[in-house]
Amino acid sequence: SQTIHQWPATLVQPVGSPLSLECTVEGTSNPNLYWYRQAAGRGLQLLFYSVGIGQISSEVPQNLSASRPQDRQFILSSKKLLLSDSGFYLCAYRTSANTGELFFGEGSRLTVL
Amino acid sequence: AQSVTQLGSHVSVSEGALVLLRCNYSSSVPPYLFWYVQYPNQGLQLLLKYTSAATLVKGINGFEAEFKKSETSFHLTKPSAHMSDAAEYFCAVSGSGGYQKVTFGTGTKLQVIP
Repeated sequence: SQTIHQWPATLVQPVGSPLSLECTVEGTSNPNLYWYRQAAGRGLQLLFYSVGIGQISSEVPQNLSASRPQDRQFILSSKKLLLSDSGFYLCAYRTSANTGELFFGEGSRLTVL
Repeated sequence: AQSVTQLGSHVSVSEGALVLLRCNYSSSVPPYLFWYVQYPNQGLQLLLKYTSAATLVKGINGFEAEFKKSETSFHLTKPSAHMSDAAEYFCAVSGSGGYQKVTFGTGTKLQVIP
């Protein structure tokens, strides 16, 4: 069966510190991978998506970056966090075999102080 | 281009009453439409999806939605609300075929009053 995991679940970081959130998918090959950010009352904002290893598309200019070093691994990073980076980050995947729905990880709550 | 509008950021219903959450979409291609549910501090879970088959779609937990092309709507309903239905609900739209971006609405928080 297919599963998706992301960690850490909760993170409190000072302004200016680095960030690394990791997401892995199991049970499928060559998934499309996504990073979303959810801020209170603002729905889901697509940050990055990837259709293959090393292929990253950015939706919103920001100080975040994403990488896909392996087929089923997706990493969200920042060199220096801003207060505005606080939020709930969700990783998701979609397979070519399904009809377009996304499957989400458990989420990572980031608080920047 | 595609977009989703969810009417009402907060909806309150009494336990046992009808649940109606509204969603209107805009899409330049035949759409796939989805409803997701999110419980606090958790990821989103798919409730149901429309992919151009039957216009009335049944999902999990007794929810259903009807695709109405003439109204560009995909409202979510449940005949009788349960306390466990209290959560945030998101409508989403995607183009059909190949890689297509999924666009989400801003969500509706459902409160169920005992």
